[in-house]
Amino acid sequence: NAGVTQTPKFQVLKTGQSMTLQCAQDMNHNSMYWYRQDPGMGLRLIYYSASEGTTDKGEVPNGYNVSRLNKREFSLRLESAAPSQTSVYFCASSGTGRQTQYFGPGTRLLVL
Amino acid sequence: QQQVKQSPQSLIVQKGGISIINCAYENTAFDYFPWYQQFPGKGPALLIAIRPDVSEKKEGRFTISFNKSAKQFSLHIMDSQPGDSATYFCAADLTGGGNKLTFGTGTQLKVEL
Repeated sequence: NAGVTQTPKFQVLKTGQSMTLQCAQDMNHNSMYWYRQDPGMGLRLIYYSASEGTTDKGEVPNGYNVSRLNKREFSLRLESAAPSQTSVYFCASSGTGRQTQYFGPGTRLLVL
Repeated sequence: QQQVKQSPQSLIVQKGGISIINCAYENTAFDYFPWYQQFPGKGPALLIAIRPDVSEKKEGRFTISFNKSAKQFSLHIMDSQPGDSATYFCAADLTGGGNKLTFGTGTQLKVEL
């Protein structure tokens, strides 16, 4: 089992460019999450999906969109990247209810 | 708005010593408190978790102490080892919150020989 995988590992964008961060899990989890991690800010929830076909906003959703493509995959899209979106992005998944969240290795994004 | 406050920001402990990281919260609707450990270049991983119906939970060298009346909880690492050097995050989830965690800002722990 690969657990939670994320692509790409690292990306450099220019302001205004768009991109999609991909996430997949092979643990048959219902819930999936996108976080961003910034120095001194901890991890902040961007969007989450409680089950296939549902998505909801987290603490910092502005500038992002998500798609729960199927049970395995949950993508995060930046339509028009801004320097403030420079961060490390983590995808996570968990079973239903108070289950452990399993994190991917992260995508490091630099927006110039 | 930081709903879970974590301190200290960084901590240096000698090998064999006790590492203590503290977290405080305001929202009494929080009812699940996990701690995550993150090594450089990796994603966080669950270390230990507690619910407010107990005051302490121990797993090996790691102990969570929980004070419901003070709305505080802490992580104690006994006999700290260099391999424990990592960033530690406390977190909290609301009753019926659907496992949407609110994280603290993190503590960078370094255990020196």
